[in-house]
Amino acid sequence: AQKITQTQPGMFVQEKEAVTLDCTYDTSDPSYGLFWYKQPSSGEMIFLIYQGSYDQQNATEGRYSLNFQKARKSANLVISASQLGDSAMYFCAFVWDGANNLFFGTGTRLTVIP
Amino acid sequence: DSGVTQTPKHLITATGQRVTLRCSPRSGDLSVYWYQQSLDQGLQFLIQYYNGEERAKGNILERFSAQQFPDLHSELNLSSLELGDSALYFCASSPQGVSSYEQYFGPGTRLTVT
Repeated sequence: AQKITQTQPGMFVQEKEAVTLDCTYDTSDPSYGLFWYKQPSSGEMIFLIYQGSYDQQNATEGRYSLNFQKARKSANLVISASQLGDSAMYFCAFVWDGANNLFFGTGTRLTVIP
Repeated sequence: DSGVTQTPKHLITATGQRVTLRCSPRSGDLSVYWYQQSLDQGLQFLIQYYNGEERAKGNILERFSAQQFPDLHSELNLSSLELGDSALYFCASSPQGVSSYEQYFGPGTRLTVT
């Protein structure tokens, strides 16, 4: 069965510093995708970044980058130069080829300290 | 703004009642997904429609049903409501039936059952 794990319930980071949010997954399927979403206190789910299992390079989107280690089955999100507006819940999500929905981890609450 | 709209934003109702949540996907997106986010269950996939047809089912209760109309908007019907149905209900859309692409989430409908 597919499984996705976020082991950090909460993280703190100083403003302007970088932070890494962990995500590991468990699958035997060779083809899959990994997503990160941000959920601020207002509740909406904001798509941040996507990594496909066959992508040769780690995904980057502005200040967000994905540290994808396929052999370790990890897809950690790195946020550089943290801003106060980055304070939110962050969810890692997984989909495998042929599936029609996202499986979400339990989330990590990030707090950026001024 | 993801381009996905959901109404209403908030809904308060009593146990035993029935409610309808509405979702309009992004222009051009054929696929609609419904997710439930509750404190005890986290983010769970409920059901997916693609171009008017049911494509996949997740942990959706028999008291819940959904449909997608010819104009591609979707409705999630929740009946015989229980206190445990209180949650944030998200609709997401994507261009294709299979989740190879990111899903764009609406702002959610927060349902409170009293």
